[in-house]
Amino acid sequence: EFVLTQSPGTLSLSPGEKATLSCRTSQSVSNSYLAWYQQKPGQAPRLLIFAASGRATGIPDRFSGSGSGTDFTLTISRLEPEDFAVYYCHLCGTSPLFGGGTKVEIK
Amino acid sequence: QVQLEQSGAEVKKPGSSVKVSCKASGGTFSKYGLSWVRQAPGQGLEWVGGIIPIFDTPRYSQNFQGRVTITADESTSTAYMDLSRLRSEDTAVYYCARSIAVVAAYFDFFDIWGQGTMVTVSS
Repeated sequence: EFVLTQSPGTLSLSPGEKATLSCRTSQSVSNSYLAWYQQKPGQAPRLLIFAASGRATGIPDRFSGSGSGTDFTLTISRLEPEDFAVYYCHLCGTSPLFGGGTKVEIK
Repeated sequence: QVQLEQSGAEVKKPGSSVKVSCKASGGTFSKYGLSWVRQAPGQGLEWVGGIIPIFDTPRYSQNFQGRVTITADESTSTAYMDLSRLRSEDTAVYYCARSIAVVAAYFDFFDIWGQGTMVTVSS
């Protein structure tokens, strides 16, 4: 059974700084199966990245995804005020699975 | 622009059932998968189950096997989630989410989400 582990649980940064979020899978997976979402309070999640590194429509290029095997990363190159939110990784498949989330908060 | 419109908030008693709907507008319904994802207050996201209308067979998370039924009505472009034997731990926001249908029983990334339906289970 797959497990997705996101770290850190909370990331405290200032606007303009770089954010690096990690998602580890318990078994190696194809890049095609890994996605990332952003969720703000009271809102539905929004797709950011699909297939590990593909940027969804309308997503700014400060968001990028990378990784392979068991280690995947979401990078926000320079944090804007609207980027402070919770981020989830997602393993697609016959039984989709989400990581526990990383909260990016204002320092 | 495809949109998913969900039914309104529900308050239910423990042991009862709830049925939540998700109507798709602006696109072709049967080419996509429709999943249900829930989020308990202050918690993360959990996949409940889904259906790909063109293949018709639903799939469920083992955590909900035997309690959840997911159906789709292609004539009205609406998917339904029926959750029975409700308990307080089922209190959550339930989202429907769309994925591209690639092969039967495979749910790809979720590109469009409904607005969520709050289900409260309380005596």
